[in-house]
Amino acid sequence: QKEVEQNSGPLSVPEGAIASLNCTYSDRVSQSFFWYRQYSGKSPELIMSIYSNGDKEDGRFTAQLNKASQYVSLLIRDSQPSDSATYLCAVNSWGGADGLTFGKGTHLIIQP
Amino acid sequence: GAGVSQSPSNKVTEKGKDVELRCDPISGHTALYWYRQSLGQGLEFLIYFQGNSAPDKSGLPSDRFSAERTGGSVSTLTIQRTQQEDSAVYLCASSLGDYNSPLHFGNGTRLTVT
Repeated sequence: QKEVEQNSGPLSVPEGAIASLNCTYSDRVSQSFFWYRQYSGKSPELIMSIYSNGDKEDGRFTAQLNKASQYVSLLIRDSQPSDSATYLCAVNSWGGADGLTFGKGTHLIIQP
Repeated sequence: GAGVSQSPSNKVTEKGKDVELRCDPISGHTALYWYRQSLGQGLEFLIYFQGNSAPDKSGLPSDRFSAERTGGSVSTLTIQRTQQEDSAVYLCASSLGDYNSPLHFGNGTRLTVT
């Protein structure tokens, strides 16, 4: 059974600080990794994709992937109150429904 | 371009009635997924369509739930004889279908069974 684990939180971070969100996955053959942001009452919105080991930066967001440790993280620099949301980690092994697994999400609160 | 479109955005129905939820995926996306999300919970996979292949129905919670996808595009999720525990947000997502392609979600249909 493939699993994607995230700390449910809430993770509370002061405004302007770096928020660090972590995700571990069980399927060693996983190929692609996604981070989604979900505001309360809204649908998930894709914010980052990462496929290779290392860091990938997009504005204030950096995704980090370590396949050897089966670990993917999302860093949010200069955190803003508007970043307060639930962040979902998704992992895809080979396409199709059974290859795609979502974590339950980490609830992030940015304190003004 | 247009995103994934779902209708209705909200649906209130009486217990025992049938409901139909509609999803129009992004043009060119061959894969279509239905998920359910109860309040404060994670995403629950329901059903997956990929091109002309037989759908993966492994997530459907009971035989009251069914879905079809006509012409490889629009999909309809049907819930028969609705129960109160069916109340949730039903999310549709589409993708290009390979493992590198992310899912793009619609805005969801909030179903309330009274």
